[in-house]
Amino acid sequence: SAVISQKPSRDICQRGTSLTIQCQVDSQVTMMFWYRQQPGQSLTLIATANQGSEATYESGFVIDKFPISRPNLTFSTLTVSNMSPEDSSIYLCSVEVQGGAAYEQYFGPGTRLTVT
Amino acid sequence: DAKTTQPNSMESNEEEPVHLPCNHSTISGTDYIHWYRQLPSQGPEYVIHGLTSNVNNRMASLAIAEDRKSSTLILHRATLRDAAVYYCILRDSTQGGSEKLVFGKGTKLTVNP
Repeated sequence: SAVISQKPSRDICQRGTSLTIQCQVDSQVTMMFWYRQQPGQSLTLIATANQGSEATYESGFVIDKFPISRPNLTFSTLTVSNMSPEDSSIYLCSVEVQGGAAYEQYFGPGTRLTVT
Repeated sequence: DAKTTQPNSMESNEEEPVHLPCNHSTISGTDYIHWYRQLPSQGPEYVIHGLTSNVNNRMASLAIAEDRKSSTLILHRATLRDAAVYYCILRDSTQGGSEKLVFGKGTKLTVNP
């Protein structure tokens, strides 16, 4: 298993500003993921971040809007840039851990972002 | 993109068993069946996974149909803490963990006291 913490847990930001969300894991992991969960919706993957390489973004998400850093095997950041009210969501990071023959993902508690 | 079908919602009474169904008629031979759940105001948590045989762990049991086209997550005695959205997800075991999790809408379980 893995224990994940995120900072901040919540924030209220003005449109046009940027917010950087931090994700810390208690063990070294290769793959980290960033998800968005809009109000009342399911989770949508934003990007996959491997240490030592550029993040891989899903369709509809771009690096200029959601730059990601992955400086080491226990830490990652996601920045939400030039925010608009449509960016109001919960942002979650997760990591992949091998559990037997399959892989399990463990999620952080999320960062609740409100853009006014 | 979700390759599974689940009921939108289900209700149960506390201390009764709950059977959460999932249909995955297009499952391939290398797909594992994973279940995650998301408690209110929390990130999703892993529940259980299986390939062909039924699986048990401290949280739940997973019953997989012989043709693997459907599965059922079983909570043996529901508690109020089990009220959550339950997601059934297929993952290709040959991808070495690199295949993303695709979350559908899941089943919202309500547990009545």
